[in-house]
Amino acid sequence: DVKVTQSSRYLVKRTGEKVFLECVQDMDHENMFWYRQDPGLGLRLIYFSYDVKMKEKGDIPEGYSVSREKKERFSLILESASTNQTSMYLCASSFPAYEQYFGPGTRLTVT
Amino acid sequence: AQKITQTQPGMFVQEKEAVTLDCTYDTSDPSYGLFWYKQPSSGEMIFLIYQGSYDQQNATEGRYSLNFQKARKSANLVISASQLGDSAMYFCAMRTLTPPIHSGGSNYKLTFGKGTLLTVNP
Repeated sequence: DVKVTQSSRYLVKRTGEKVFLECVQDMDHENMFWYRQDPGLGLRLIYFSYDVKMKEKGDIPEGYSVSREKKERFSLILESASTNQTSMYLCASSFPAYEQYFGPGTRLTVT
Repeated sequence: AQKITQTQPGMFVQEKEAVTLDCTYDTSDPSYGLFWYKQPSSGEMIFLIYQGSYDQQNATEGRYSLNFQKARKSANLVISASQLGDSAMYFCAMRTLTPPIHSGGSNYKLTFGKGTLLTVNP
């Protein structure tokens, strides 16, 4: 079975802190994705990566950056957390052209 | 640009009955794929079923089937014999199947609808 893990299920951070969300997959997938999910807005793509050290902006990249130094690991970075970044963050991975597999999500609260 | 519309914010169904969750889409791509995901209260998104735009037959996976009507641009999910464990959010999603012109992953992006909350009553 595909396994996508995220470093934390729940996280509380203060405004202005630098926040790292980690995602690891064990299926040698080329593609990895970061989404945020908010009530009434569905899932929105923040960034994705199609190869090691390769990345593209999604629909809402502002305030975020990403890092992919190894194929299995994709990190989402909030350079200076703000309250409007309080959300559920979901990581996913896939082979190109196949369905995406999701991690359990990280519920981030910025106070 | 692609767009997914799920018009039912919430649905209720009695246990053991069938239920249809609506999904309409809009795209200018001639070749595309349609997906359904389930999200229980635990938060993890679970892949359910896939339909390609050129597939001749509607997709089925166990109790899940996809009622694909290309001319109407609809891809409704049908769950037969509902179970209490089917209570969850359900998301319809799509992506293009057109190969990328350049190296990159932009053609593999999924566009999601806003979801339908299904509640199965005992």
